Amino acid sequence: EAGVAQSPRYKIIEKRQSVAFWCNPISGHATLYWYQQILGQGPKLLIQFQNNGVVDDSQLPKDRFSAERLKGVDSTLKIQPAKLEDSAVYLCASSSQGDQPQHFGDGTRLSIL
Amino acid sequence: KQEVTQIPAALSVPEGENLVLNCSFTDSAIYNLQWFRQDPGKGLTSLLLIQSSQREQTSGRLNASLDKSSGRSTLYIAASQPGDSATYLCAVRLGAAGNKLTFGGGTRVLVKP
Repeated sequence: EAGVAQSPRYKIIEKRQSVAFWCNPISGHATLYWYQQILGQGPKLLIQFQNNGVVDDSQLPKDRFSAERLKGVDSTLKIQPAKLEDSAVYLCASSSQGDQPQHFGDGTRLSIL
Repeated sequence: KQEVTQIPAALSVPEGENLVLNCSFTDSAIYNLQWFRQDPGKGLTSLLLIQSSQREQTSGRLNASLDKSSGRSTLYIAASQPGDSATYLCAVRLGAAGNKLTFGGGTRVLVKP
């Protein structure tokens, strides 16, 4: 079984620029999660999708972050405009249902200059 | 609001010594608690999951205990090996509905040969 795929692995941009990350979950997994992990901290949930609907986006900074999962499969997370404090690893995870264990991708490491 | 703390933030032990990693949480009304391992530049790998009704879980050299009343969990790794070097994170899930995990900051472990 292929794992959760994320791209790119690394991204370096200047502040105020925009950036997008892509995630392809494990085949058949209905639930998809985006986490932000700042260096030295645990991951923080940004948004949770069930199929193509949002379950929880309470910690998503909606003035600059957006996410979509249009066909209920892969997902894109966008930041526009980026700030220095957005430097972090962005992890995507998926689970077969909302209460099943989450499987994580290797993440995208974002550096803001 | 649930807060999860892991102390110490970093730990270094000689090979063969037993590892004891601590996790504390503020809200004892948890659904389950999970221990993850994270290698540098990688995502999270689930190690053990303890349901709220359980006191401990074991897998090979790993044993995790849970004391809900005191808001604590401990991960024991017996006879540590250099390959155990990684960051270990605990995460709690509050409710049966949804699957939101609240993570601790992690303990970075170095096992010296």
